Amino acid sequence: GAGVSQSPRYKVAKRGQDVALRCDPISGHVSLFWYQQALGQGPEFLTYFQNEAQLDKSGLPSDRFFAERPEGSVSTLKIQRTQQEDSAVYLCASSLALAGRNEQFFGPGTRLTVL
Amino acid sequence: DAKTTQPNSMESNEEEPVHLPCNHSTISGTDYIHWYRQLPSQGPEYVIHGLTSNVNNRMASLAIAEDRKSSTLILHRATLRDAAVYYCILKVVGANSKLTFGKGITLSVRP
Repeated sequence: GAGVSQSPRYKVAKRGQDVALRCDPISGHVSLFWYQQALGQGPEFLTYFQNEAQLDKSGLPSDRFFAERPEGSVSTLKIQRTQQEDSAVYLCASSLALAGRNEQFFGPGTRLTVL
Repeated sequence: DAKTTQPNSMESNEEEPVHLPCNHSTISGTDYIHWYRQLPSQGPEYVIHGLTSNVNNRMASLAIAEDRKSSTLILHRATLRDAAVYYCILKVVGANSKLTFGKGITLSVRP
């Protein structure tokens, strides 16, 4: 009965480093979402997977951001050549089915600080 | 995506009811009204959702105006643990049912 888990919970990177953020969704959840939350703001959509297919990546801010979910469960958000403006909390959420009404279950987030 | 408007903040006393308003004048017929809340240092948490009729669950009640252009989240007895940012979100029915968050309303609860 575990919820959505994310690791690491905190990450400090030097500008220019690559980082990888992991999300373990609730078992059996088809849909997986990544959001970015800047300090004092609401979360903003980054990308969406249905099983292993990335159906929407319209929210990714640049080509330095890349997400994958190769086996339709665990997902990784990778940020290359990190910049200070990438500092934020990265949230992962999963949802049981495709219907628009189903609620999303969020993980605790990964707080990324780029120095 | 249709937009929602919420006050920036609200204060309440512990054990009193709280009414959190939300305006969504451009809502379309297939938009569901969702509420999520985010406690400090946690990810958002689903609270309740509705389409046209008022809804109740163990956490809260959702009152939806007849024209659907506004709604109110009702916490019947606020506790200190209800202090959070509450987001009112219109969720489009569809395969990519992403959530579009605004800034939300920050609820403070006084003991």
